[in-house]
Amino acid sequence: GQSLEQPSEVTAVEGAIVQINCTYQTSGFYGLSWYQQHDGGAPTFLSYNALDGLEETGRFSSFLSRSDSYGYLLLQELQMKDSASYFCALNTGGFKTIFGAGTRLFVKA
Amino acid sequence: EPEVTQTPSHQVTQMGQEVILRCVPISNHLYFYWYRQILGQKVEFLVSFYNNEISEKSEIFDDQFSVERPDGSNFTLKIRSTKLEDSAMYFCASNPPGGTEAFFGQGTRLTVV
Repeated sequence: GQSLEQPSEVTAVEGAIVQINCTYQTSGFYGLSWYQQHDGGAPTFLSYNALDGLEETGRFSSFLSRSDSYGYLLLQELQMKDSASYFCALNTGGFKTIFGAGTRLFVKA
Repeated sequence: EPEVTQTPSHQVTQMGQEVILRCVPISNHLYFYWYRQILGQKVEFLVSFYNNEISEKSEIFDDQFSVERPDGSNFTLKIRSTKLEDSAMYFCASNPPGGTEAFFGQGTRLTVV
């Protein structure tokens, strides 16, 4: 089967940089995605890594190392509105995405 | 901006009743999904649908669940005989051709009493 692990909570200060790690177990996958979810809202796509390395999208970057079964989401210049849950997810082709349990990020002033 | 639309936003039903959750995916998307999220927990994959048939389904998606695309725009999830543990937020999502980003609707909160 497939599984993902990520920390349950992370706290950081406004303006700082925070890294949310994700380790996974799978027999095969196409890529690792990251989604943001505010309380009561829908998951929204942040980033996708098909290949090893860093993908940068504005203040958000995501990294994948297939050899280490590991990825992370890096959030820079944290803002209060970044307080949300962040999910890593395995894309097993076009038909299925398996989500991790989510990391709740608290941004403090 | 195109979006995935779900109705109703909230549904309350009695245990044992049938419910149909409705979704209108983004028009040029080809892959459609249903996910559920029990309050405070992770998003769980239920089923994917492509080319008018189920592509994959999870162990959660048992005989009580079914999906349909009755016309060119709607995508529905039916739960035949609801149980208390079916209470959750149900999200519809869709992918464009060749796309890796899933676009989620705002969800239907199902409460089974």
